[in-house]
Amino acid sequence: QVLLQESGPGLVKPSETLSLTCTVSGGSISSYSWSWIRQSPGKGLEWIGIFYYSGSTNYNPSLNSRVTMSVDTSKNQFSLKLTSVTASDTAVYYCARVRRGGKPYLAYYFDYWGQGTLVSVSS
Amino acid sequence: DIQMTQSPSSLSASVGDRVTITCRASQSISNYLNWYQQKPGKAPKLLIYAASSLQSGVPSRFSGSGSGTDFTLTISSLQPEDFATYYCQQTYSTPFTFGPGTKVDI
Repeated sequence: QVLLQESGPGLVKPSETLSLTCTVSGGSISSYSWSWIRQSPGKGLEWIGIFYYSGSTNYNPSLNSRVTMSVDTSKNQFSLKLTSVTASDTAVYYCARVRRGGKPYLAYYFDYWGQGTLVSVSS
Repeated sequence: DIQMTQSPSSLSASVGDRVTITCRASQSISNYLNWYQQKPGKAPKLLIYAASSLQSGVPSRFSGSGSGTDFTLTISSLQPEDFATYYCQQTYSTPFTFGPGTKVDI
């Protein structure tokens, strides 16, 4: 059974850097692609970016290059850094495993999710 | 960015009802469409991927159809545990985007 667990500070000050880690158990992190998604309180889902198993990344342009994602295969962990945070970055942050499948074309989909961690931005 | 819309935004139904939720993309996305179920305080759960493929372990009362810009999620016989919000997601191009959600009240 694949389990994902997000961890990191629950409170970050404005202008500082939000850092989260997703620990993966039950499978090798290097065999898959991984994503971060966030959900502001009472609102919908926003995709933050993806770390492909090839090592490349793709981030949501709406985050204005404030995002960095990385993988530590020795620890089976996947990380997110978001710089210069403001109150609008307050959200529940989820990590998710990404796979491809389906017909007639292989679509990316998120099959396993962490439980989510609430990060509040406030002084 | 590809914009996703869903209708209705909410619905009330009874146990045993057939429920259909519609998702529309702002441009053609072929079959690159996924459906998720989210319950309060929980992470989204994958139901359907690539428009019509049922995720392993998901009850067969859930089905998906569509291609291009118009998609549907159907619950053939609504069960009490299906009270949730349902989101569609396109993965045709980045940034991957989600619909605003459809809340199903039992």
